[in-house]
Amino acid sequence: RKEVEQDPGPFNVPEGATVAFNCTYSNSASQSFFWYRQDCRKEPKLLMSVYSSGNEDGRFTAQLNRASQYISLLIRDSKLSDSATYLCVVTRYSTLTFGKGTMLLVSP
Amino acid sequence: NAGVTQTPKFQVLKTGQSMTLQCAQDMNHNSMYWYRQDPGMGLRLIYYSASEGTTDKGEVPNGYNVSRLNKREFSLRLESAAPSQTSVYFCANIEPQGYEQYFGPGTRLTVT
Repeated sequence: RKEVEQDPGPFNVPEGATVAFNCTYSNSASQSFFWYRQDCRKEPKLLMSVYSSGNEDGRFTAQLNRASQYISLLIRDSKLSDSATYLCVVTRYSTLTFGKGTMLLVSP
Repeated sequence: NAGVTQTPKFQVLKTGQSMTLQCAQDMNHNSMYWYRQDPGMGLRLIYYSASEGTTDKGEVPNGYNVSRLNKREFSLRLESAAPSQTSVYFCANIEPQGYEQYFGPGTRLTVT
């Protein structure tokens, strides 16, 4: 089993839709969890941290389920500018392991 | 790029040539990383440095060496480039358990 797994997509949604991504991780000793966003041919950028209690930042909500070893990202009211690849990241001590990413395409 | 710079932005090498990719950060963080990104493979860790004077191998270290020259700089060297090293290379300055996480703009390397 890969350490961090994501559905590659693409997820095609219309503007205004709500979309959710999941990510599973294999190492139960993982310590911290993040979502990144990467635009085509650009560097990844930290989107938000993920906590068991949930974390909301505007239209974005992230959630961690340690028992089932998955994290989720919910995007409400999708905008065209949300089109990107979303990377799930798991850390343990000094190492960060990235998922391969889920591509989101938001259309007018 | 919040203080992470990489040089060069683009490079073409012939098989067997050597080169060094440079990375510098101005945020005074301890941890620095080198990743490569290939289509369908995601970001894979090559080497990292948890603090000045220390380096550790990541998932794909073969064919690479690194130097943590000081707290600010972390370089990646290809001693004898191979076509399999054609990739986009990202340097990152990251506090692993925190929220200060920044990538450089990347170096697009082609080995022919």
